[in-house]
Amino acid sequence: EVQLLESGGGLARPGGSLRLSCAAPGFIFSKYAMNWVRQAPGKGLEWVSSISATGLSRYYGESVKGRFTISRDNSKNMVYLQMNSLRAEDTALYYCARDRSLTVPNSGVFDIWGQGTMVTVSS
Amino acid sequence: EIVLTQSPATLSLSPGERATLSCRASQSIRTSLVWYQQKPGQAPRLLIYDASNRAAGIPARFSGSGSGTDFTLTITSLEPEDFAVYYCQQRANWPPLTFGGGTRVEIK
Repeated sequence: EVQLLESGGGLARPGGSLRLSCAAPGFIFSKYAMNWVRQAPGKGLEWVSSISATGLSRYYGESVKGRFTISRDNSKNMVYLQMNSLRAEDTALYYCARDRSLTVPNSGVFDIWGQGTMVTVSS
Repeated sequence: EIVLTQSPATLSLSPGERATLSCRASQSIRTSLVWYQQKPGQAPRLLIYDASNRAAGIPARFSGSGSGTDFTLTITSLEPEDFAVYYCQQRANWPPLTFGGGTRVEIK
């Protein structure tokens, strides 16, 4: 079964760090770009970051640029989001999502989503 | 950054009725528009990509149309499981990828 399994969320202090992980069993992980999208409580969706299938291309939203780093390990079918200098406004449910396309790098269409991992930033 | 504006914010309809949801872009995005459905406590689900292409497994009652700056998601006859929040997202000019604020379709 194609699925995405996020982990690593929790409570962090402002200025602190967390590392989110997303396990991706059930498909040929190395062929797909991967993404992180977040949703603050009661709010809409916000794109956070994307990484190409090879890991060579990485993209970030302005609100996280310079603080968050996306990476992947194709040998382990894992994608990560290292979150540093956390702020209260980073509090959200973080979803891992698979890019739909096998032919277009980072197509921006997300066909498989995990259930999310909650990050709370509070003192 | 391309801003997507969805309307209405809330749509109150009865099962069996037709739902028409709008998404307007701040500049032309050709047909690079995606629609997702999100039910309470669940992850978003891909419905439509490239403005009018249904994703795998999506029922035919869901259809998308539009190009340029104006887009529509139509649900021809609402089923009980269709009451949810719907988001549009553009992929024409990114980063950043941007989402609309969502339309909630609620039972009247």
